[in-house]
Amino acid sequence: ETGVTQTPRHLVMGMTNKKSLKCEQHLGHNAMYWYKQSAKKPLELMFVYNFKEQTENNSVPSRFSPECPNSSHLFLHLHTLQPEDSALYLCASSQDGDNTGELFFGEGSRLTVL
Amino acid sequence: GQSLEQPSEVTAVEGAIVQINCTYQTSGFNGLFWYQQHAGEAPTFLSYNVLDGLEEKGRFSSFLSRSKGYSYLLLKELQMKDSASYFCAVRYSGAGSYQLTFGKGTKLSVIP
Repeated sequence: ETGVTQTPRHLVMGMTNKKSLKCEQHLGHNAMYWYKQSAKKPLELMFVYNFKEQTENNSVPSRFSPECPNSSHLFLHLHTLQPEDSALYLCASSQDGDNTGELFFGEGSRLTVL
Repeated sequence: GQSLEQPSEVTAVEGAIVQINCTYQTSGFNGLFWYQQHAGEAPTFLSYNVLDGLEEKGRFSSFLSRSKGYSYLLLKELQMKDSASYFCAVRYSGAGSYQLTFGKGTKLSVIP
C-alpha cells in the first residue's frame, strides 16, 4: 500500500468509447502526475499538477484530458483512443519542496484499446 | 534533453552480489533516483543520490559520479524476492519545476 490508489485496475475499451481513470492520494502531497508505461520503453511523463494547477503537458495528444479537482484527486479522461495507447497508466504523487521529492506511485491502470 | 542508459536484463545467483549500471546525460541535474518495480505492482523508491559517493541502505547501495554521469545500484545477499525491474531516473530543473526522466529499466532475474 503506497498511499496512492488507482481505479480501475484494468480497462478494455473500443476506439469510440469515453472512459476515465481515477487516482486518489492519501499522503497530503501537493503534486500529482500521470505516467505512461509501455513495454520496452521508459516511463513517459504525461501531465504534472502542482497545487491543482497543471504545470506540465508533455506533448500529449488531446484524446487524453487530465482533470485535478483538488490536491488529492486526479483524473485522466480518455476519448477516441488508438490501439497504440494500450499501456499501463501510472499515477504518482510527491511533496514539492521535500529534500528528495520522491514519487509515490499507484499500482496503475492497465488499458487495452481494441 | 535527457537520456539514460541501463542494461535491459541482468541475471544473478541467490546470495550473490549484483551491480546495475546507469549512465545519463542531462542539464540542470538535481539528483538521481533508483526505483524497484515487481511485476504487476507500483514502482517503489529505493534510493536518492545528489552528491558524489555511495549511499548505503541495508542490502542496497547506490553510487553516483556526477562528473562521469554515472550511477550504479548494488544489491548484496541477493534474495529471490529481489527479482524485479530496476529503474534509474534523473531529476532536473526545467520550466520552473523539477521533473524526472526515467531509464528503460533493468529486469533482474535471481536464480537459485
